[in-house]
Amino acid sequence: EDQVTQSPEALRLQEGESSSLNCSYTVSGLRGLFWYRQDPGKGPEFLFTLYSAGEEKEKERLKATLTKKESFLHITAPKPEDSATYLCAVACANRDDKIIFGKGTRLHILP
Amino acid sequence: GAGVSQSPRYKVAKRGQDVALRCDPISGHVSLFWYQQALGQGPEFLTYFQNEAQLDKSGLPSDRFFAERPEGSVSTLKIQRTQQEDSAVYLCASSLVSPGRWNTGELFFGEGSRLTVL
Repeated sequence: EDQVTQSPEALRLQEGESSSLNCSYTVSGLRGLFWYRQDPGKGPEFLFTLYSAGEEKEKERLKATLTKKESFLHITAPKPEDSATYLCAVACANRDDKIIFGKGTRLHILP
Repeated sequence: GAGVSQSPRYKVAKRGQDVALRCDPISGHVSLFWYQQALGQGPEFLTYFQNEAQLDKSGLPSDRFFAERPEGSVSTLKIQRTQQEDSAVYLCASSLVSPGRWNTGELFFGEGSRLTVL
């Protein structure tokens, strides 16, 4: 069964304290792995797409990387405004490219 | 409008009532998706459309759930005889790319409709 597992469920960091969020997946025929950010009361907002192992994408303080089994979202010197839930999702060829989400990591950056 | 619009934003229903949730996607977007998000969980796939065709409804929890997109733009998710377990945020998303094609994964989400069933 296709699965997307994110860890940790929640993470509290001090402002400036870098860390990484993990997304592990077991899917057949990965077509793409995606990261989204979701603020309370809002819909998810697209951040990155990664297609193949070894690929990296960066945006401001965020960098996403992909291996054959997992993806990491690295947050460098975070600020309080980076506080949000970060969702990982995958599109699988054997599921007609439907996008399946993990449960997310709730990130809280303390000033 | 510039983004995906959903209405109502909040809906309180008594158990057994029927509800209808509306999604107005970004103009020109081919694909439209419905997701259900329970508190503290990630979005769970319900169904998707390519234009007016409903290509996959495998995520709909029961036959009480019905979705349509008759003219390939606005979509309505209808829940009949609501139950307490239907309480969740219902998210709509649209995409310029058709599922099955080169999928950038860039879905544009609305702010959701929060359904509370008493």
